[in-house]
Amino acid sequence: GENVEQHPSTLSVQEGDSAVIKCTYSDSASNYFPWYKQELGKGPQLIIDIRSNVGEKKDQRIAVTLNKTAKHFSLHITETQPEDSAVYFCAASIWGDDMRFGAGTRLTVKP
Amino acid sequence: KAGVTQTPRYLIKTRGQQVTLSCSPISGHRSVSWYQQTPGQGLQFLFEYFSETQRNKGNFPGRFSGRQFSNSRSEMNVSTLELGDSALYLCASSDTSGSTYEQYFGPGTRLTVT
Repeated sequence: GENVEQHPSTLSVQEGDSAVIKCTYSDSASNYFPWYKQELGKGPQLIIDIRSNVGEKKDQRIAVTLNKTAKHFSLHITETQPEDSAVYFCAASIWGDDMRFGAGTRLTVKP
Repeated sequence: KAGVTQTPRYLIKTRGQQVTLSCSPISGHRSVSWYQQTPGQGLQFLFEYFSETQRNKGNFPGRFSGRQFSNSRSEMNVSTLELGDSALYLCASSDTSGSTYEQYFGPGTRLTVT
C-alpha cells in the first residue's frame, strides 16, 4: 500500500520567513495530494491540494509543488505569520480514496 | 453550508465496553470516511462509506465497524474497547458527484479508554 513520509517533524521560523515541508510517496498510481492544517483542538483543515497532472499550484502565500518522477511534493508558505503556527499534514491517494497521511510537521512561527 | 459535525466531542469509556460515534457530513456529501488519530501512529484510515455501502477499509481489527444511513449520516462502533483505542476519531465528508476529491474533516471525538 501507499507509504507517505514527511519531513521535518518540527520547524521553527521567524515571522516573515518562508517555510518548506516535504513529503515523499511510494505508490506511483497516487494522483491526488492534499495538504491539511490542524490547530489545537480542531480537525484537519484542507488548505491546498494538487493533482498529478499539475506541477505547481499557488493560493496567496501558500504553494505546492509536485515531482511525479521523484515521487515527492512540497508545501511552501511565504511571509509566515504567527497564525500559521499549527501541525501540517500531507497526504496521498488514488482518486481521493484510501487517503494515506504523513506523520505531520509542527510549524512554529516566532513573532 | 454547515460543516461536518461529530458527536459526542468527548467520551470516557472503560476497557471492555463498546462505543458508538456519530458523524453528520456536509449537506449534499455522500461519502464519509473515518480516521483514527494518535500521537504514535498519526492519522490512520479506518473505512469509507458511500451510499450506505462500505467502499474502502483500512487495516484495523473487526472490533471497528461502521455504517451509513440513507441521509448520509454515519456511525462507527468500537466493541470490546482496549486502552490502545484511546484516540481522536475524525470523520471527513466529500462530494463525489463531480471530479472533486476534497475531504472536509469534522472536529473529532476524543475517546479515552480507562
